[in-house]
Amino acid sequence: QVQLVQSGAEVKKPGASVKVSCKASAYTFTSYYLHWVRQAPGQGLEWMGVTNPSSGATSYAQKFQGRVTMARDTSTSTLYMELSSLRSEDTAIYYCAREGGGIAARLRTLDYWGQGTLVTVSS
Amino acid sequence: DIQMTQSPSSLSASVGDRVIITCRASQSISSYLNWYQQKPGKAPNLLIYGASSLQSGVPSRFSGSGSGTDFTLTISSLQPEDFATYYCQKSNSNPWTFGQGTKVEIK
Repeated sequence: QVQLVQSGAEVKKPGASVKVSCKASAYTFTSYYLHWVRQAPGQGLEWMGVTNPSSGATSYAQKFQGRVTMARDTSTSTLYMELSSLRSEDTAIYYCAREGGGIAARLRTLDYWGQGTLVTVSS
Repeated sequence: DIQMTQSPSSLSASVGDRVIITCRASQSISSYLNWYQQKPGKAPNLLIYGASSLQSGVPSRFSGSGSGTDFTLTISSLQPEDFATYYCQKSNSNPWTFGQGTKVEIK
């Protein structure tokens, strides 16, 4: 069954960068868009961006432009999200999620989610 | 960017109650509207996509309706496992903004 397994929790200092990974299994990695969503403690969900794992093309929420990089490694079916210039407000659980339907027939919905990665930014 | 507004922000209901949550978009999003359920400490779970299509494996007591700017999620008979937070999300174009969430609590 489809699985997205994310890397473990991270603690970073303000100004540092963090790189979170998301390893996909049980489906063709290059056939489905992958998104990143984050959730600050006790808060709602915030969409960060999307990657086409086949072409590598990305689209980021304007809020994160210039600070976020989403990349993929097709040889290992792994998606990466790097966020730089971290501040305390970036403390959150970061989720990767697969978009249903496939690149050729997008359903524009997030049907499988990773377990989440807690990133804590603290001096 | 299009804003998504859910109401109410929270509600208290009893097992067996009919529950309706609304989501309003600041501009038309056609039927590109998803609903997710999230329980504490867990990732969100897809309930409804395309405004009214029930995700496989989701109980039929969940239903969605609407198009354009106004949408509803209905739980026809609330069950103990339905106490959670519910989010709508637009997906017609980037960014795929979420509503602020509706927490459904036990009365």
